[in-house]
Amino acid sequence: KAGVTQTPRYLIKTRGQQVTLSCSPISGHRSVSWYQQTPGQGLQFLFEYFSETQRNKGNFPGRFSGRQFSNSRSEMNVSTLELGDSALYLCASSFWAGVTYEQYFGPGTRLTVT
Amino acid sequence: GENVEQHPSTLSVQEGDSAVIKCTYSDSASNYFPWYKQELGKGPQLIIDIRSNVGEKKDQRIAVTLNKTAKHFSLHITETQPEDSAVYFCAARGSNTGNQFYFGTGTSLTVIP
Repeated sequence: KAGVTQTPRYLIKTRGQQVTLSCSPISGHRSVSWYQQTPGQGLQFLFEYFSETQRNKGNFPGRFSGRQFSNSRSEMNVSTLELGDSALYLCASSFWAGVTYEQYFGPGTRLTVT
Repeated sequence: GENVEQHPSTLSVQEGDSAVIKCTYSDSASNYFPWYKQELGKGPQLIIDIRSNVGEKKDQRIAVTLNKTAKHFSLHITETQPEDSAVYFCAARGSNTGNQFYFGTGTSLTVIP
């Protein structure tokens, strides 16, 4: 089975611009979560989507949004970029493996805001 | 919500020695505890996990122990090898928090050849 894929892998944007990141989960996984990873804050949960519905949301401003399509692929959007948005954005797909809910990460998209 | 603390933040061991990383959690309802290994330039990789009804789980050189009463769990790596060098994250998922995972701050492990 192919793993979680994320595109693009690297991105450079300017303050004030917006950006859209894409994630394709493992085949058969219906849940997709997004995380922001920075050296100072570690892994911070952004939101989770299941069957095209946002199920959980972390403590991020409204500039961060996402959506999920009927094929479980997900996108996240960041509007009005700030320098502090520079980070590695990780997507994870999850599924119930019997009694455990397992989560697998993609390689991430490295976003640099200048 | 859940709060996961992880120690130490950095760890250096000689090749062949053991490494232990410890995490504590705050929500007694948390019931699933995965460990991830993240190598430079890659996403975190699930290496082992444990459920709250199990006290210990082992997979070759890697083991995880869970003490529900004390609310802490640990990762043990024996016979360390240079390729074990990476950042390791613990996480907790609680039944009271939907399916959200809470992560520790990471341990940078260096195995010295």
